Amino acid sequence: GAVVSQHPSRVICKSGTSVKIECRSLDFQATTMFWYRQFPKQSLMLMATSNEGSKATYEQGVEKDKFLINHASLTLSTLTVTSAHPEDSSFYICSAYVRQGEDTIYFGEGSWLTVV
Amino acid sequence: QKEVEQNSGPLSVPEGAIASLNCTYSDRVSQSFFWYRQYSGKSPELIMSIYSNGDKEDGRFTAQLNKASQYVSLLIRDSQPSDSATYLCAVNAGYSTLTFGKGTMLLVSP
Repeated sequence: GAVVSQHPSRVICKSGTSVKIECRSLDFQATTMFWYRQFPKQSLMLMATSNEGSKATYEQGVEKDKFLINHASLTLSTLTVTSAHPEDSSFYICSAYVRQGEDTIYFGEGSWLTVV
Repeated sequence: QKEVEQNSGPLSVPEGAIASLNCTYSDRVSQSFFWYRQYSGKSPELIMSIYSNGDKEDGRFTAQLNKASQYVSLLIRDSQPSDSATYLCAVNAGYSTLTFGKGTMLLVSP
């Protein structure tokens, strides 16, 4: 089946620095990927939709200058958290839309970000 | 606004019983429906998808869809303690973006 891989699985960074999270589709081409954030014991929150070769579409309330998304190829999307602050500490998850007969969305393993 | 509603639970069932998880959605044009399982601290894992009215079975799992009632459910037969997790219902209105419910926590006691 389709596999979506995320890296790193865990990252700790200092406040004010930037951190990049990668999301790769391993055995299929993903024209559309999604980035979610999930705080402990809360629901998934869609941050943005990443489309290959074009600008990402951000959800209301998500700062596009703080959460930079790049989808430069059909198998890779990246999320860069710029000037990170402790309140950005969260579980970030990507997913990819797959059209293989029936439409399905698969999730990556997720990335735990801790800003100290 | 598109909404997906789930009872937050926890839903507690004994081992071997049938667990029934329910979900309602507001967008009538929704076309595809998904159930994901999420263990604490982990990413959601796709369990089943369903696209047509009726039942769809996969092993111990059965998804049921009723578009007229805007209702989708997941039945887990012979529940195991390892099934204890949060179950997320997700709905796709045809634009490849999923709308998630807040999830139902299932606890299966040995």
